Amino acid sequence: GAVVSQHPSWVICKSGTSVKIECRSLDFQATTMFWYRQFPKQSLMLMATSNEGSKATYEQGVEKDKFLINHASLTLSTLTVTSAHPEDSSFYICSAPEGGYEQYFGPGTRLTVT
Amino acid sequence: AQSVAQPEDQVNVAEGNPLTVKCTYSVSGNPYLFWYVQYPNRGLQFLLKYITGDNLVKGSYGFEAEFNKSQTSFHLKKPSALVSDSALYFCAVRDSNAGNNRKLIWGLGTSLAVNP
Repeated sequence: GAVVSQHPSWVICKSGTSVKIECRSLDFQATTMFWYRQFPKQSLMLMATSNEGSKATYEQGVEKDKFLINHASLTLSTLTVTSAHPEDSSFYICSAPEGGYEQYFGPGTRLTVT
Repeated sequence: AQSVAQPEDQVNVAEGNPLTVKCTYSVSGNPYLFWYVQYPNRGLQFLLKYITGDNLVKGSYGFEAEFNKSQTSFHLKKPSALVSDSALYFCAVRDSNAGNNRKLIWGLGTSLAVNP
């Protein structure tokens, strides 16, 4: 199957700083990527749809100025958590649909804000 | 409104026994249905999908699922559970009427514990 990578796999940052998470499709092109947030033992929460060449589409309740998304190329989308606070600590996962119907997921990024 | 329900937060089964993880859905058009598995601190792995055709679909690791249109269900099954199947399972649906919108609607997940 298609491969999606994320970097970093985990990051610890201080409150007030910004953190960038990268999502790459390694062997296919993705005009669309999805960013999810997952709390411990809970379901996925779709944050936004990243669109190559245009603005991201944010889900209701997600602050677009806090969670900046840039789909820089057909293989790269980035999520920047700006002015991070401890409540932003979470597991962030990206996915990309490839060709058919299913989505392929990155391994996730564990963000801890101290 | 589109939705997915996984009525069981947790399923416990003994190794070697058959397992079922339940999923029901609601969409306006024809459903595209998916099962994914998540191991601890990992991303999700695709297991299987139903798009059209045979109602019984077979997927990875010996899993299968049956699409039942009248009951709007897509239960995940495996004839003989393994301890290594213990993980979090997610059901998801995409509405065929959604056009180019590939966004999936997710269930809350079911934690499967297979006991030795």
